Amino acid sequence: GNSVTQMEGPVTLSEEAFLTINCTYTATGYPSLFWYVQYPGEGLQLLLKATKADDKGSNKGFEATYRKETTSFHLEKGSVQVSDSAVYFCALSPTLLGTGGFKTIFGAGTRLFVKA
Amino acid sequence: EPEVTQTPSHQVTQMGQEVILRCVPISNHLYFYWYRQILGQKVEFLVSFYNNEISEKSEIFDDQFSVERPDGSNFTLKIRSTKLEDSAMYFCASSEDGTGGDYEQYFGPGTRLTVT
Repeated sequence: GNSVTQMEGPVTLSEEAFLTINCTYTATGYPSLFWYVQYPGEGLQLLLKATKADDKGSNKGFEATYRKETTSFHLEKGSVQVSDSAVYFCALSPTLLGTGGFKTIFGAGTRLFVKA
Repeated sequence: EPEVTQTPSHQVTQMGQEVILRCVPISNHLYFYWYRQILGQKVEFLVSFYNNEISEKSEIFDDQFSVERPDGSNFTLKIRSTKLEDSAMYFCASSEDGTGGDYEQYFGPGTRLTVT
């Protein structure tokens, strides 16, 4: 079946530190991969996505590369800010044909704290 | 940019009561979804809906849950007799296409349901 595994948190970093949040997946076929962010008290926001192998998704200084050979989609940012403190969810959705919809499968989430 | 909206943002109800959570998906989207996030846990798929019928549901979506598209714009989730364990954040989502790939799900801000 389809599943997502991401590193457990919380992750605590100082401002301007380098961030990596590991994510690996199990899926049949060729899923699309996503990172969602959830700021305190808010809903889910799509941070970035990649739809095929070797694609790099990027947004707001964050990036992740779809690695089919290692089934990974690790999130990175070169220099984090206090405002990046949030919960980050890795997710996948399978590519299906002729169905009545697809579901997004989420990892457990990784909480990031950035200290000033 | 078009967005999914949800009302109310917070609902408090007593155990055993019926609740209806409302969502307005993006207007040209044809596929609709509900997800649930119990506090501090992962986001879980509940149900997908297309062409006025359920296309897939999870084991969480038992007989006390139902979904409906009562008119051309709203999509609702009804819980007939709420239990304490139904307390969670409920996210509505919609997508233009049902096959995944380049098509992503757009999530609403969520309704926090508290059952007392």
